Amino acid sequence: ETGVTQTPRHLVMGMTNKKSLKCEQHLGHNAMYWYKQSAKKPLELMFVYNFKEQTENNSVPSRFSPECPNSSHLFLHLHTLQPEDSALYLCASSQDRGTVALPQHFGDGTRLSIL
Amino acid sequence: GQNIDQPTEMTATEGAIVQINCTYQTSGFNGLFWYQQHAGEAPTFLSYNVLDGLEEKGRFSSFLSRSKGYSYLLLKELQMKDSASYLCAGIDSNYQLIWGAGTKLIIKP
Repeated sequence: ETGVTQTPRHLVMGMTNKKSLKCEQHLGHNAMYWYKQSAKKPLELMFVYNFKEQTENNSVPSRFSPECPNSSHLFLHLHTLQPEDSALYLCASSQDRGTVALPQHFGDGTRLSIL
Repeated sequence: GQNIDQPTEMTATEGAIVQINCTYQTSGFNGLFWYQQHAGEAPTFLSYNVLDGLEEKGRFSSFLSRSKGYSYLLLKELQMKDSASYLCAGIDSNYQLIWGAGTKLIIKP
């Protein structure tokens, strides 16, 4: 139990579907992150939220839309995805984001498959 | 550019010692993390190094040489449960994490 919970664990969707990934952290952290993990590639940072404000968007296509209603919850809304978007999507949190090196705590991820 | 290099895969024997290397090139440097990730599970934090030298935590130790841009993770008395991927991440001057692709460690009986 890492204190970061992601749902669903697995998701299969067609290219025209709309779905959402959910992340919840119980650690009292102020920063939350979405990452994409593909086989044999480094983790790709997608979005960062600090105190509910989006602080980073690393050139992510608009078919991925994040939402952070409060410091404990993070969503990733998916629409019109492509087969190359199939990957493991990881959510992480840390105490803060910015001026000190703080370890991030990860959820188990959502395994996404696009048909 | 910024880059982290680590071997793709390593194999070791139960009870033995293994060293997983990581070299980094970052714009500025604020330390380095090691994470462990079992298949289908969350990456979990193992260690943080920012000063030169060896940090020991039980069977796991992590070493850093800032002058060489080099770190390693040393696992002693290997157990089957140590089969996992080990991720190295450097921290740049903006506290951004630069991730390696991970080293898959296979432990054989």
